[in-house]
Amino acid sequence: QSVLTQPPSASGTPGQRVTISCSGSSSNIGTNYVYWYQQLPGTAPKLLIYRNNQRPSGVPDRFSGSKSGTSASLAISGLRSEDEADYYCAAWDDSLSGVVFGGGTKLTVL
Amino acid sequence: EVQLVQSGAEVKKPGESLKISCKGSGYSFTNYWIGWVRQMPGKGLEWMGIIYPGDSDTRYSPSFQGQVTISADKSISTAYLQWSSLKASDTAMYYCVGVEDYGVPPRGNWGQGTLVTVSS
Repeated sequence: QSVLTQPPSASGTPGQRVTISCSGSSSNIGTNYVYWYQQLPGTAPKLLIYRNNQRPSGVPDRFSGSKSGTSASLAISGLRSEDEADYYCAAWDDSLSGVVFGGGTKLTVL
Repeated sequence: EVQLVQSGAEVKKPGESLKISCKGSGYSFTNYWIGWVRQMPGKGLEWMGIIYPGDSDTRYSPSFQGQVTISADKSISTAYLQWSSLKASDTAMYYCVGVEDYGVPPRGNWGQGTLVTVSS
């Protein structure tokens, strides 16, 4: 059971906009930044979003993050086949004094 | 180019010991934290702990405290994750990752992962 809650799956067709939610509590998302990672099949995770809504260089602006209260969302617009991957949210948890991850969302591009 | 390169896959028996490594290059190894993340087969990411190679300050996730040991040798820019007595449940992919500061999720490069298989 992960500390952060994500839907196990999401899907969309090419060109669509999809959102993935991440729910936490006051000890993690409520008081700390949210990060998002993309894990393509058979590869290491890659940072997509940091500090709630910042994109590292090289990440397309099709990817965007937001946070409100104890929840966060990752939005992917103009969906492409290469976006098919697992997506994880993460945040620091003050009670556990460590990083907590969501259980991951498997995105399928139909 | 900033890189974290991990040691190769391991196959071990229950009860054996193991130490896997993560070598950093292309940056000042002593100035950034290194974290370790476990991913069990078909499962999500789990935070294990973190070390600051500059002074070996180490912090463990409560779930992994006492189960593994994280260390670093700054003279060779290498961090380690070790077990004294492996269990079948330790079978997983293990990633090291660069962390810009204590108290935030990792923002740096990830290693390619080390697959550890524990089976009799």
